[in-house]
Amino acid sequence: DVKVTQSSRYLVKRTGEKVFLECVQDMDHENMFWYRQDPGLGLRLIYFSYDVKMKEKGDIPEGYSVSREKKERFSLILESASTNQTSMYLCASSGDRAGYTFGSGTRLTVV
Amino acid sequence: GDSVTQMEGPVTLSEEAFLTINCTYTATGYPSLFWYVQYPGEGLQLLLKATKADDKGSNKGFEATYRKETTSFHLEKGSVQVSDSAVYFCALTRQSNNDMRFGAGTRLTVKP
Repeated sequence: DVKVTQSSRYLVKRTGEKVFLECVQDMDHENMFWYRQDPGLGLRLIYFSYDVKMKEKGDIPEGYSVSREKKERFSLILESASTNQTSMYLCASSGDRAGYTFGSGTRLTVV
Repeated sequence: GDSVTQMEGPVTLSEEAFLTINCTYTATGYPSLFWYVQYPGEGLQLLLKATKADDKGSNKGFEATYRKETTSFHLEKGSVQVSDSAVYFCALTRQSNNDMRFGAGTRLTVKP
């Protein structure tokens, strides 16, 4: 069964901390994506990557960065966490136009 | 730019009722269209898809038909169950790349 695995289901971090959200896929997909999901706002694209060491800004990249050193792993980094980054974070991967496979999500609370 | 608009929720139905969730899109070219479902506390799961005009996607009793003339991809189910309670997202990928655009989501609650 194909999988996208996010390292944590729940995280609580303090304001100003550097936070790493990890995502790993086992489908040899080239494309990987990070979204955040907030009530009333749907899914908003933060960053995406079409290849190793490649990254592109999505709609809301401010306050975030990403890393893709290996094809299967795509990390989202909050350089200095703030309370307005409290959200559900969803990672996805895709290999073609067949659609995305999503991870289970990481619910991050910044206090 | 390309976008998806779906009906606002929440939608509350009784078990065995008929479900329709409307979805319309704006896109250049010929996008692929999708419905995703998100159960409480989980990520999104692909429910069904259609890649060209007049295609019908179907899964678990849900259906949606790609209507290019009305730029729509409405989700339907003839008889909903309590276990169908979830948030449903309509989405498209543009022809030129793999970038997916999502609607805002529609929360469905089915009561016994």
